[in-house]
Amino acid sequence: QKEVEQNSGPLSVPEGAIASLNCTYSDRGSQSFFWYRQYSGKSPELIMFIYSNGDKEDGRFTAQLNKASQYVSLLIRDSQPSDSATYLCAVSGSNAGNNRKLIWGLGTSLAVNP
Amino acid sequence: DGGITQSPKYLFRKEGQNVTLSCEQNLNHDAMYWYRQDPGQGLRLIYYSQIVNDFQKGDIAEGYSVSREKKESFPLTVTSAQKNPTAFYLCASSRQGNGYTFGSGTRLTVV
Repeated sequence: QKEVEQNSGPLSVPEGAIASLNCTYSDRGSQSFFWYRQYSGKSPELIMFIYSNGDKEDGRFTAQLNKASQYVSLLIRDSQPSDSATYLCAVSGSNAGNNRKLIWGLGTSLAVNP
Repeated sequence: DGGITQSPKYLFRKEGQNVTLSCEQNLNHDAMYWYRQDPGQGLRLIYYSQIVNDFQKGDIAEGYSVSREKKESFPLTVTSAQKNPTAFYLCASSRQGNGYTFGSGTRLTVV
């Protein structure tokens, strides 16, 4: 069974700090990695995706991928109270006919305190 | 604007009743998915479809049925065989290799 693991949290950081969210995955063949943000009672929205080893930056968000160690992380700089949400990590399957289907972590709850 | 639309936003089901949740997308995505999310829980896959007229069971398909007669539409029926249907239902679509786009969800409650 392919798995994606995240700490459930809650992760609590002060406003303006860097929030670091981590995710590990079991399928070495996974090619695509996604971070979603889900506010309470709402649907998930895609905030970052990364396909290659290294860092990818978009505004205050940085996704980091290390395929050798099978982890992907999300850094949120200058955290704001509006960043308080659950962050879901999703990883593509490696089977050729099934690589569209994402495997989801259970999410990490982030609370940014004013 | 392209997007994915779920309706209704709220749905109430009586015991023994079948209900159908609508999901329509105009993103020209081939693949569509149905997930169930319970309070404080992760996403659980019910059914998915990668092409028209074909679909596969996910992890928790019992008590649910789907159809994919058009590329744009992937309705989910919650049958009376589903004993605990109260949950937040999410529909998503995707293009090969890309992330999913989610609808706004349907909250189903048994009354």
